[in-house]
Amino acid sequence: QVQLVQSGAEVKKPGASVKVSCKASGYTFTSYGISWVRQAPGEGLEWMGWISPFNGNTNSAQKLQGRVTMTTATSTTTAYMELRSLRSDDTAVYYCARYDLRGVGATTVSSAFDIWGQGTMVIVSS
Amino acid sequence: SYDLTQPPSVSVSPGQTASITCSGDKLGNKYACWYQQKPGQSPVLVIYQDSKRPSGIPERFSGSNSGNTATLTISGTQAMDEADYYCQAWDSSIVVFGGGTKLTVL
Repeated sequence: QVQLVQSGAEVKKPGASVKVSCKASGYTFTSYGISWVRQAPGEGLEWMGWISPFNGNTNSAQKLQGRVTMTTATSTTTAYMELRSLRSDDTAVYYCARYDLRGVGATTVSSAFDIWGQGTMVIVSS
Repeated sequence: SYDLTQPPSVSVSPGQTASITCSGDKLGNKYACWYQQKPGQSPVLVIYQDSKRPSGIPERFSGSNSGNTATLTISGTQAMDEADYYCQAWDSSIVVFGGGTKLTVL
């Protein structure tokens, strides 16, 4: 079945980096984009960025630009999100979610996040 | 930047209709989606392209979007519908989520 399986929980010190993986299965990897969304404890959903496995294009939230890198490995149908210079307020559950690339080419984007990973808890603490 | 505004909380009695709003500038010109999130779980898509339901989502969930407001409506609300609900839209190539609404079924 269609699923996204993420890597396990991480504990990092301030200033370190974390790399979260998202293994896709059950669908054509290059037909769907992967977006990364995080959720701090007790807070709402925060979009971090997206990557197209089709052509490698990316876009990230302005507040994270310079600290976040998103990549994909089509040979293993895996997406990665690396966040650098971690701070305590980066403590959150990190999700990957897929969206249909066919819906982003039009003037009005029609894509939605129809499949989500199980989430990866990242704790930043000294 | 583009913002989506939701009420922090909505309460409804079992069997009644719950309406959750999401407001944004000319939101009706974009497609709105809605996600349900229960404690400790990943979000689940319940409405996409303003009013479409993914496979497996009950018919009691419906959506609309016009002007500056998108609305998620849950008819005949059940206890299992108690959750946080988030609206989402794309602003050009940027993804925007609303702040979320906690639905309480009293």
